[in-house]
Amino acid sequence: DARVTQTPRDKVTEMGQEVTMRCQPILGHNTVFWYRQTMMQGLELLAYFRNRAPLDDSGMPKDRFSAEMPDATLATLKIQPSEPRDSAVYFCASGSDSQYGYTFGSGTRLTVV
Amino acid sequence: AQKITQTQPGMFVQEKEAVTLDCTYDTSDPSYGLFWYKQPSSGEMIFLIYQGSYDQQNATEGRYSLNFQKARKSANLVISASQLGDSAMYFCAMRARGGGNKLTFGTGTQLKVEL
Repeated sequence: DARVTQTPRDKVTEMGQEVTMRCQPILGHNTVFWYRQTMMQGLELLAYFRNRAPLDDSGMPKDRFSAEMPDATLATLKIQPSEPRDSAVYFCASGSDSQYGYTFGSGTRLTVV
Repeated sequence: AQKITQTQPGMFVQEKEAVTLDCTYDTSDPSYGLFWYKQPSSGEMIFLIYQGSYDQQNATEGRYSLNFQKARKSANLVISASQLGDSAMYFCAMRARGGGNKLTFGTGTQLKVEL
């Protein structure tokens, strides 16, 4: 089965440090999403790309978050500087025009202390 | 704007019984898709079933079926013959062409299957 690969699986970092999360979408998928999941807010869309172009990053705090797709096999989400309120599970998902559902990665559990 | 509403924070069902998880949606876009995802305690998000706004028949995938009532803007998930492994959080989601095809999620329903 094709999978969306996210790294790292878990990350514990100190407040103020830079955090980079990586996602390898399924080969051939042209749409990539970044979601954040917390108990309080549920699943929030942070950013998404289509054909590597950013389409919507309105859900992302611009002052500290950035999302990029340097190539079709890699999407990154960076937080600098990280804060305790950023603690959450970050999911990457990918999809294509020819399929209905989006496939999610296993997520990165981020803890900022 | 798109909105998904799941009004049942938690549901219980006995093993082998059927259960319906409610989902209502709001969009002014005539072209949209509705999805259900399952999130077990391990945390992964598993795609279950899809219904397109122009589909004439309700979608079915094994024990999952989607009760699509377009006029009521509801897309309830029906799980037949519940199994212990069905215990999980279930999310309803929508994608609309006018919304750039991004996926908007509801708040989820925690289902627990009991013996």
